[in-house]
Amino acid sequence: DAKTTQPTSMDCAEGRAANLPCNHSTISGNEYVYWYRQIHSQGPQYIIHGLKNNETNEMASLIITEDRKSSTLILPHATLRDTAVYYCIVRPHFGNEKLTFGTGTRLTIIP
Amino acid sequence: EADIYQTPRYLVIGTGKKITLECSQTMGHDKMYWYQQDPGMELHLIHYSYGVNSTEKGDLSSESTVSRIRTEHFPLTLESARPSHTSQYLCASSGNLTPLHFGNGTRLTVT
Repeated sequence: DAKTTQPTSMDCAEGRAANLPCNHSTISGNEYVYWYRQIHSQGPQYIIHGLKNNETNEMASLIITEDRKSSTLILPHATLRDTAVYYCIVRPHFGNEKLTFGTGTRLTIIP
Repeated sequence: EADIYQTPRYLVIGTGKKITLECSQTMGHDKMYWYQQDPGMELHLIHYSYGVNSTEKGDLSSESTVSRIRTEHFPLTLESARPSHTSQYLCASSGNLTPLHFGNGTRLTVT
């Protein structure tokens, strides 16, 4: 019963921007949007998170729509090492809540 | 940069054996989680804990048990391993204002 929906797979050419969408139409006011990625079978790695404003760090940018019902993770210049499964989840910063991951998006960077 | 440690990394064991998968974190996080993941499949939450002496079952039914006697330690035990328990087990932790940190996982094979 993940709270997010993502496309199953996407391809992106190396050097191009990869835009990964996520729908979270039932997000509540105190829930943040988090993005993680999992390369091969390693433990998932944190990428970025945000509440309502757009965010940018050294790895990616996060664009959240004004109604907060969807977001897009942007990898500005995709490399082959960005090939991974990308997960979008929503969670509150405070309080106790079990964290459920959906199926994620399998991103393949094409040389 | 790993502050959450899982041992062993790989384990091959015979049917009927009792096993304990170790997970420790040095970040003082209150919340800890166990996920089970088959190759190429999604992460399934099997156990979580909000703090010492707190344990809850996750979304996926599991024959394993957990304990949380100390903040930093969240071991998972299988009393009698079966081939159906063959999978990867990922441990994670988080605080109120921090993202999830994952360990590198234990890949369990029951023969």
